[in-house]
Amino acid sequence: ILNVEQSPQSLHVQEGDSTNFTCSFPSSNFYALHWYRWETAKSPEALFVMTLNGDEKKKGRISATLNTKEGYSYLYIKGSQPEDSATYLCAFKHSSASKIIFGSGTRLSIRP
Amino acid sequence: NAGVMQNPRHLVRRRGQEARLRCSPMKGHSHVYWYRQLPEEGLKFMVYLQKENIIDESGMPKERFSAEFPKEGPSILRIQQVVRGDSAAYFCASSPVQEGAGELFFGEGSRLTVL
Repeated sequence: ILNVEQSPQSLHVQEGDSTNFTCSFPSSNFYALHWYRWETAKSPEALFVMTLNGDEKKKGRISATLNTKEGYSYLYIKGSQPEDSATYLCAFKHSSASKIIFGSGTRLSIRP
Repeated sequence: NAGVMQNPRHLVRRRGQEARLRCSPMKGHSHVYWYRQLPEEGLKFMVYLQKENIIDESGMPKERFSAEFPKEGPSILRIQQVVRGDSAAYFCASSPVQEGAGELFFGEGSRLTVL
């Protein structure tokens, strides 16, 4: 059974603070790890697709790292802004032809 | 280039009726995934299809649920004899064939309510 776990489940952060959260996935048979942002009343949108151990990706104030040997990825948000409020999902793919399994997400709220 | 189109956006059915949800992937995408979101839960995998093929249906309930992605036309998720527990948002996502690791592009979802 493929299990993708995210922590924490929810997070409240003061505007301007930096934060990070975790995605854990099976460390065997790794193919790709995705991060998505899901804003209320919208559809999930991709942030990063990561495939190599040690990958680090960055988009503006958001960055992600990947450790495939130990089965985890971190998402970092620097200097949180109200528009960062969303649910952040990670998703795991164990082979090129396999399904993509999502974690339950981390719900981030930014306090002005 | 239009995004992933799902219809209907909202569907109300009475118990025992059939629900058909449609998904037109982005142009050039031949991989389609269906996910179900129950209230207060995340996205649960249902089925992964390529044109005319079901690649993985391990997330589909064994009875009443079926999916197809014909050579022409949209992908269809069909739920027969709906029950109240089928009430959920159903999301479709597509990805291009060239990139096995590529990102998913999501539709806006179809919200099924079973009375």
